[in-house]
Amino acid sequence: GQQVMQIPQYQHVQEGEDFTTYCNSSTTLSNIQWYKQRPGGHPVFLIQLVKSGEVKKQKRLTFQFGEAKKNSSLHITATQTTDVGTYFCAGNPHSGYSTLTFGKGTMLLVSP
Amino acid sequence: NAGVTQTPKFQVLKTGQSMTLQCAQDMNHNSMYWYRQDPGMGLRLIYYSASEGTTDKGEVPNGYNVSRLNKREFSLRLESAAPSQTSVYFCASRVTGDKGNTIYFGEGSWLTVV
Repeated sequence: GQQVMQIPQYQHVQEGEDFTTYCNSSTTLSNIQWYKQRPGGHPVFLIQLVKSGEVKKQKRLTFQFGEAKKNSSLHITATQTTDVGTYFCAGNPHSGYSTLTFGKGTMLLVSP
Repeated sequence: NAGVTQTPKFQVLKTGQSMTLQCAQDMNHNSMYWYRQDPGMGLRLIYYSASEGTTDKGEVPNGYNVSRLNKREFSLRLESAAPSQTSVYFCASRVTGDKGNTIYFGEGSWLTVV
C-alpha cells in the first residue's frame, strides 16, 4: 500500500532559525495536504498542493510540491514560539479517494 | 457551525469494559473517519465511512467496531477494552470527490484503559 515518510521526526530550534520538514510518498500523488497540530490539540488543515512543482506561501510558511508529485516540503522562515507543534503531511493518491495517508509528523520545538 | 463534535473528551476504562465514542458533524460531509494517535506513530486510521451506509476497515481495525448511524453521526465502539487501546482518538469528516477535500478533525477523546 501507499506509504508516506516524513523527516525529521523531531526538531528543536532557537527562535528566529529556519525549519524544514520533508515528506516523501512511495507512489505518485494527486494532491498533498499539510496539517498542524498544537500540543494537546487536534490537527488543523494548513494547505493543499495539487500541481506538479507548485509553491505556495502563507506568511513565513512556504510549501512545495515536487515535480514528480511524490514529495513535498514545508519551510518556516524565522521560527516563532507560536510555530510549536507537530506538522503532518497527508497524501491523496487520487482526487476523490476516500482516505488520505498521513506521514508520522515532525514535532517542532522552538526555544525563545 | 460546530464542525466535528466528539464525546466524551476524557474516559478511563477498566480492562474488559466496553464503551462507545460518539461523533457528529454538521458540515454535510460524505466521509467520516476514526483515527487513533499514539506517540511516535502519527495518525492511524481505524475505520472510515465513505458515505452513509458504508463502512470500511482502515490500518488498525482490530478490537473496534463502527456504526454510521446517519450522514451526521459515526460512532466507534470498543467491545472489550485493552490497555493497548489507551490512546487519543480523533473523529474526522471530509467532502470527497472535491478538489478542496480538507479533513476536519474533532477535538479528540483521551482514553485510558487500566
